[in-house]
Amino acid sequence: DAMVIQNPRYQVTQFGKPVTLSCSQTLNHNVMYWYQQKSSQAPKLLFHYYDKDFNNEADTPDNFQSRRPNTSFCFLDIRSPGLGDAAMYLCATSTRSGSSQYFGPGTRLLVL
Amino acid sequence: GNSVTQMEGPVTLSEEAFLTINCTYTATGYPSLFWYVQYPGEGLQLLLKATKADDKGSNKGFEATYRKETTSFHLEKGSVQVSDSAVYFCALSDAIGNQFYFGTGTSLTVIP
Repeated sequence: DAMVIQNPRYQVTQFGKPVTLSCSQTLNHNVMYWYQQKSSQAPKLLFHYYDKDFNNEADTPDNFQSRRPNTSFCFLDIRSPGLGDAAMYLCATSTRSGSSQYFGPGTRLLVL
Repeated sequence: GNSVTQMEGPVTLSEEAFLTINCTYTATGYPSLFWYVQYPGEGLQLLLKATKADDKGSNKGFEATYRKETTSFHLEKGSVQVSDSAVYFCALSDAIGNQFYFGTGTSLTVIP
């Protein structure tokens, strides 16, 4: 089945220690998104790629970076995680703007 | 600007009760509208969508009709089950940017 895969499902890191979350898709979609979701809140868009074009949301902290080496993979790098970065991180894909987004299962990040 | 206003929860219903979760939107142009469902510890799953006025999206007994005159997209189900317990998000996409605008989510608990 075509899908969006996120690894790992749970990630524990230490305050200030860089961490990378990964997302892969077998849908061959052009657009890939990273969202941050804190408890009982809506997902908050961090950034997205339309093919190789990177689009950063204005209020996304510099601490968050992303890489998309090819169509299938996209990575979220948190350079120096703080306690406030503990959250669920969701990856999503879509074929184009305005179309349905398909979400992965998420990676729950815990910062100690 | 674009925004989604969603009925606040939590909502608790008995099994086989009728469900309505209200959603209204503000948008420029002609957005597409979506309902997503999130089960505990999981990512978001697309439940249904509608891309133009008067379209009705339906899936798994859930329905929502795109009402341009009232700028609404209310979610309904005639008879809820315990397995419908989840958080439901209303969202819109303006088809211009690549961004979704999510409502704040409504938590539904169905008791036997």
